[in-house]
Order: sequence, then C-alpha cells, then structure tokens
Amino acid sequence: QSALTQPASVSGSPGQSITISCTGTSSDVGGYNYVSWYQQHPGKAPKLMIYDVSKRPSGVSNRFSGSKSGNTASLTISGLQAEDEADYYCSSYTSSSTWVFGGGTKLTVL
Amino acid sequence: EVQLVESGGGLVQPGGSLRLSCAASGFTFSSYWMSWVRQAPGKGLEWVANIKQDGSEKYYVDSVKGRFTISRDNAKNSLYLQMNSLRAEDTAVYYCARGLQRDYWGQGTLVTVSS
Repeated sequence: QSALTQPASVSGSPGQSITISCTGTSSDVGGYNYVSWYQQHPGKAPKLMIYDVSKRPSGVSNRFSGSKSGNTASLTISGLQAEDEADYYCSSYTSSSTWVFGGGTKLTVL
Repeated sequence: EVQLVESGGGLVQPGGSLRLSCAASGFTFSSYWMSWVRQAPGKGLEWVANIKQDGSEKYYVDSVKGRFTISRDNAKNSLYLQMNSLRAEDTAVYYCARGLQRDYWGQGTLVTVSS
C-alpha cells in the first residue's frame, strides 16, 4: 500500500492553467477508473473535486478537470484564482480492495 | 443538509484504547459505504478503513489491521472506530467521510497518543 506519487508543489499565476500529476501502478491508478481528487485549505476538512477520474460533483467549478493515462492521473485547474491556493490530494482504489492517497501537492497562486 | 460530526478524540497513552464516533444526518446513512481517513500533524491524508452499507465488508490499511475495528449502527446513523494498542504514529486528526468517493467529510477529531 505505497502512497501515490504527486509533486510536492506547483505554482501558477492568476488566469493560468496548472496540472498536478498522480502516479501509481497497474494495481491502483492504472487498473481502475476510481481516481478522486480532493482540495484542502489549511485547518479545513478535504473537499471532493473530482471522482471516477473525470467526474465533477455538483457545485464544483468546471475549471477543475481530471484525466488519466496509464498509471498516471492528472488534475487540471484552468483560469487559476486566488482561492484555488490549497493542498490537493489524489486517491485511488487498489487491487487489495483498499484505497490509497497521494502525498499531496501544495498549489501556490503567485 | 449532509452533516458528519466526529467525537471521541483525545489524549491517550501508548498501548491504550479509544473509540471514535461519527454521527451522520441529512442523508440515508444505511445506503452508503462509510470511511475513516486520518491526517497526522503537518502530513498528508491516509485512508484508514471503510465499511459496507450493511457492515458485511470491512477493509483496513495494513498499519492498523488487528488493532482498529470499524463498525456502524444504521439504526443510530452512526459510524465507529475502535482503536486499540495505540501507538505514537496513530496521532492524527481522524475524519469520517461518506461513500466510497468520500463526497462529504466531517470536521475531524484529534487523537494524540503520548505518555
């Protein structure tokens, strides 16, 4: 049950687009379309932003999108806004019927 | 409105036990898988366990197998996590979350394992 691999940090200017990667194996990310992404602001509970690789829950801005290629999933945020500054975590179902999170990525809006 | 409220956290000595509760409201609790996720201070999220709607299936992260037990009481709309043989590395904020996709989260309860 090794954690998924995410970059420790990414940054972008307001209005730009950024992409956060999430790399696993064929036993998790690559094997199932059950990848989720969560946003967490300091001191707050996580918020679901993307589920099943690319689906957006009701109420989540369409500036957030998800995709997957092989063992790597990606979260793209377009039209960056100041309020997007937060930590982002990916999560995937695994072949052991368990779940695993990525180590998290700190997004800084310059 | 969906609400999840955790309770039961606190300070416990290594080797001790604690039982966390999560009170659910605003949705049909018995229709959803439920999960526990934890976050050590300054660290990332870690999935701990989840339980099927009727309690017939339970899964755990390797590091808590044999020490933690997840359970639920659908009549009381409540989720539980019994934690035994606690270790310093179990120190974290524990969140309960709804569904396999974890679309709603509680505010968390802090568990501190220290002598």
